[in-house]
Amino acid sequence: GDSVTQTEGQVTVSESKSLIINCTYSTTSIAYPNLFWYVRYPGEGLQLLLKVITAGQKGSSRGFEATYNKETTSFHLQKASVQESDSAVYYCALAPNSGGSNAKLTFGKGTKLSVKS
Amino acid sequence: DMKVTQMPRYLIKRMGENVLLECGQDMSHETMYWYRQDPGLGLQLIYISYDVDSNSEGDIPKGYRVSRKKREHFSLILDSAKTNQTSVYFCASSLSSSNERLFFGHGTKLSVL
Repeated sequence: GDSVTQTEGQVTVSESKSLIINCTYSTTSIAYPNLFWYVRYPGEGLQLLLKVITAGQKGSSRGFEATYNKETTSFHLQKASVQESDSAVYYCALAPNSGGSNAKLTFGKGTKLSVKS
Repeated sequence: DMKVTQMPRYLIKRMGENVLLECGQDMSHETMYWYRQDPGLGLQLIYISYDVDSNSEGDIPKGYRVSRKKREHFSLILDSAKTNQTSVYFCASSLSSSNERLFFGHGTKLSVL
C-alpha cells in the first residue's frame, strides 16, 4: 500500500528563521501520485495548504513551498522566514493518480510547528 | 459558508454502549469521509461516501458503520463501542471523489471507558 513518512513530533523554530519539514512517500501504484500538504491551525479543521500533481513541479502558498521530487520520492515543506501565525500541525499526504477515486488520501502522522518569538 | 460541522466535540462512553457521531456540510459536496487519528499515527480512512446511500469501506472499517440519507449529512455509528475505538474522529467532504481538496471538521474526541 501507500505510505507517507514525515518529520516526527514537534519542531520549534524562532520567528523569522527558516523551516523545513521533511516528507517522503512510498506507493505501489505505477502512476506517480498527487502530493499535498494540509495544515491544522489551533481550533480549526485541517485545510489544504498546497498540492502538486506533476513530478518536478513546485507548489507554493502563504510563503510555503514544496517541490515534488520523484527521484528521491520526497516532498519537503519549506519556508524562508516563519511567523508566529504559522504555528500549526502540518500533514503531508498523497493520493493515487489512477483515475476514479483520487481523493483517497494517505496522510503522514503530522508535524507540530511551534514558532517562538 | 463552506463549513463542515461535527457533533459532539467531546464524548465519553462506556464499553458496549452505542455511539453516534454526526457530521454536516453546507457546500453540497458529493463525497464525504470519516477518518480517525490515534496518537503517533496518521489519519486513517474508515469510510467514504460517494453520495446518498453510496458508501464504501476505507482502510479500517471493522467495528463501524455509516449512514448517509441526505447529501449534507454523514453519520458514523459504533455498535457496542470498544476501548480500542478511543480516538479522535474527523469528518471531511470534497466536491467529488476525484477532487482532493478536502474540507475537514474540528474533530470529535471519543473516549470509550
